[in-house]
Amino acid sequence: GAGVSQSPSNKVTEKGKDVELRCDPISGHTALYWYRQRLGQGLEFLIYFQGNSAPDKSGLPSDRFSAERTGESVSTLTIQRTQQEDSAVYLCAGRQLRNSPLHFGNGTRLTVT
Amino acid sequence: TQLLEQSPQFLSIQEGENLTVYCNSSSVFSSLQWYRQEPGEGPVLLVTVVTGGEVKKLKRLTFQFGDARKDSSLHITAAQTGDTGLYLCAGDGVGYKLSFGAGTTVTVRA
Repeated sequence: GAGVSQSPSNKVTEKGKDVELRCDPISGHTALYWYRQRLGQGLEFLIYFQGNSAPDKSGLPSDRFSAERTGESVSTLTIQRTQQEDSAVYLCAGRQLRNSPLHFGNGTRLTVT
Repeated sequence: TQLLEQSPQFLSIQEGENLTVYCNSSSVFSSLQWYRQEPGEGPVLLVTVVTGGEVKKLKRLTFQFGDARKDSSLHITAAQTGDTGLYLCAGDGVGYKLSFGAGTTVTVRA
């Protein structure tokens, strides 16, 4: 596809369960980013990948959060033992070069009950 | 602590009025980007400013980058209801990390 694809678009899960969120960026976008956005708020940086490596994981809120990227394309963000405070929209974005614009997906809305 | 401080947090104005949104930091950025986000969608780029003192115009929107490349402003002239949305500034810092401000929610009333 032409744009960034995220799946699922909505996910409702029970507290304590694991979830996996997927991002398929635009081909050629070597840098990939994950952000979290709580209702009505700005974007909280989680992690970014340059190729398949993650130079900066400083934004991951706890060790329940992990992410990987394979083949310089698809990335997955995994949240283990979900908590209610994990409820948010998780946005993925990619870009080619530093200082170039980010291209965002429409996000995955996660609700932990 | 937010690396980029945006103000105001909320702005509600009448159609036809002007508005300004500010983005400030104590850090220097190699570039600063402005995005607009509508409900249920990801942010979409409006502009990138790179040079200190730079001014860019996009129809009724005017963007300024401070001389020291630490702050920026977005000014909208004669706002329209279609300008309603969440406005976000983002700065390119070390490496490829791009940090966002908390956003300004703009509501333009008909």
